[in-house]
Amino acid sequence: QKEVEQNSGPLSVPEGAIASLNCTYSDRGSQSFFWYRQYSGKSPELIMFIYSNGDKEDGRFTAQLNKASQYVSLLIRDSQPSDSATYLCAVNHGAAGNKLTFGGGTRVLVKP
Amino acid sequence: KAGVTQTPRYLIKTRGQQVTLSCSPISGHRSVSWYQQTPGQGLQFLFEYFSETQRNKGNFPGRFSGRQFSNSRSEMNVSTLELGDSALYLCASSLAGAGGYTFGSGTRLTVV
Repeated sequence: QKEVEQNSGPLSVPEGAIASLNCTYSDRGSQSFFWYRQYSGKSPELIMFIYSNGDKEDGRFTAQLNKASQYVSLLIRDSQPSDSATYLCAVNHGAAGNKLTFGGGTRVLVKP
Repeated sequence: KAGVTQTPRYLIKTRGQQVTLSCSPISGHRSVSWYQQTPGQGLQFLFEYFSETQRNKGNFPGRFSGRQFSNSRSEMNVSTLELGDSALYLCASSLAGAGGYTFGSGTRLTVV
């Protein structure tokens, strides 16, 4: 059973602070990793994807990947109330194409 | 450009019936994946189609099936519906199937 684990939260963050979200995965052969944001009642929205070890930055978001530790993280800098949502970590297990396994998600609450 | 379109948005079916859900991917996207989302199990991968062929399959019973047409539009079918099939069914598309995926708004299926 290929698993992706996330802390369910809620992660409460003051406005303007950094939110740090973590995700671990069990399949050592996984090659690509995704972070999605899902607002209540809406479908998931892609924030970032990362393939290589290290950091990848896009605006206020930074994804970090450590394949040796089987660990992916997402940092949200200068958190805003509009960042309040559930953040889903996903790992692609497909040898070709798409076979994403999602974590249960971390609920983030940004307080003004 | 238009996003991923799923129809219908809402559906109520009786146990034992069958249902067909439709997904039109973003223009030019050839990979279409289907997911089931429930409060208890989260997001679970059903299957992926690429160029009319099923390329990946999740761990769902044979009552769940799908297909993809030459214009990349996809349908999924669930036969002999059970109460536990009540869920949000999400379709996602991507250009080649190995990058980020864009989700549609989903079809909310309720089985009574």
